[in-house]
This record gives sequence, C-alpha cells and structure tokens, in this order.
Amino acid sequence: AQSVAQPEDQVNVAEGNPLTVKCTYSVSGNPYLFWYVQYPNRGLQFLLKYITGDNLVKGSYGFEAEFNKSQTSFHLKKPSALVSDSALYFCAVRDIRRDDKIIFGKGTRLHILP
Amino acid sequence: DAGVIQSPRHEVTEMGQEVTLRCKPISGHNSLFWYRQTMMRGLELLIYFNNNVPIDDSGMPEDRFSAKMPNASFSTLKIQPSEPRDSAVYFCASSLIDMDGNEKLFFGSGTQLSVL
Repeated sequence: AQSVAQPEDQVNVAEGNPLTVKCTYSVSGNPYLFWYVQYPNRGLQFLLKYITGDNLVKGSYGFEAEFNKSQTSFHLKKPSALVSDSALYFCAVRDIRRDDKIIFGKGTRLHILP
Repeated sequence: DAGVIQSPRHEVTEMGQEVTLRCKPISGHNSLFWYRQTMMRGLELLIYFNNNVPIDDSGMPEDRFSAKMPNASFSTLKIQPSEPRDSAVYFCASSLIDMDGNEKLFFGSGTQLSVL
C-alpha cells in the first residue's frame, strides 16, 4: 500500500537561513508527489507537485522540492526562510498504478524564528 | 469561483446527536474528497468520490459515518450518533483529475467539530 512519512513533527529555522522539510514515500509504481501548506485556521493550499521530468520542482512562495527516486524522498526546500513561512506542511503521494487516492503525511510544523 | 465551500465552519454538539457536514466543490471538478484532521493522526482520507460515485470508503472509521454525493455540486458527511472522539477538523477537497495525472486538490476551510 502507498504511504508517506514526514519524520519530523517540528522544524525550527532562523529567518534568512535555508530550510528543509523532509518527506519519504512508498508506492508500488511511479509516484505523483505533492506538497501542501496549511496556515493557522485555514484549509490546505497547494504548493507544488512532481509528476515526471526534472527532479527539481519549483512551486509557490519560493519553495522547491527535489525528487530522489533512489532514496524515495521528496524533501521541501527554500533557500532563505521568512517568518511568514511558519505553517504546517504536508507531503502527499498518489500511486499512478493504483486508484486516484491521495495519501497525506502527518505534517511537519515549521517555525521560522525572527 | 469561490472555491470549495464547507458549512458550517464550527459545530458544537452533544454526544449522541446527529451531525451533518456539507460541502460544495468547485464547479467542473470531477473528484471530491473528505479528510479528517486530528493532532494524533494527522490528515486522514475518509472517502472520495469520482463523478459522484464513491470510489473508496475504506477510511471511514465506523458505520456511524456515512457520506453522500447526490449531484456534482453537493456532498454531505454524516455522523450518527456522534461521539467525543469524533471531534476534529473535517476538510472537503475537490479536484479535476485528467488521464495524465495533472491535478491538484483544492481544500475548503474545514469544519471544526466538537462533540461534548
């Protein structure tokens, strides 16, 4: 069965420093991978996705993610963190060989310290 | 488009009462998902519909939970009877899934359910 893991419940980063939010996945076939962000008291918003092609995917708000097939990872990155990036981040996966179900990780809370 | 619309935003009820959560997906989207978010379990998929047909309800926790999608513009998630452990934020999301997998979910603002 497909699954996605976010090993860190919380990540703290100083403003201006690079940030990484980790995600690993497990699917039987090729994955579609996604990152979503949830700001306080709001629904989730799409950040970026990987379907095929370039392993480095660029998304909204300056975020990017790198698909690594050998490590089955899809870590979210940003070169320089902003305080406004503080939110809850979810990694998600869909197995293209199976149904259209999208499975989410438990989420990682990102704190950007001023 | 106003996006995915959920109602109510907040629901407080007593144990044993029936709770109905409502969702209006984005017009033209062919898939609708119900998720539940808790601190302990994160974001769980409860059920999803494709073209108004339930495809996978394996995430529905118990028979107390039921979901319907009578038409392309409306879905309900019902809990009867409700229990305190059902307290969570329930999200509805819709998407337009094409054959190439080019899709993304659009989420509603969620319904904060508190069962006392």
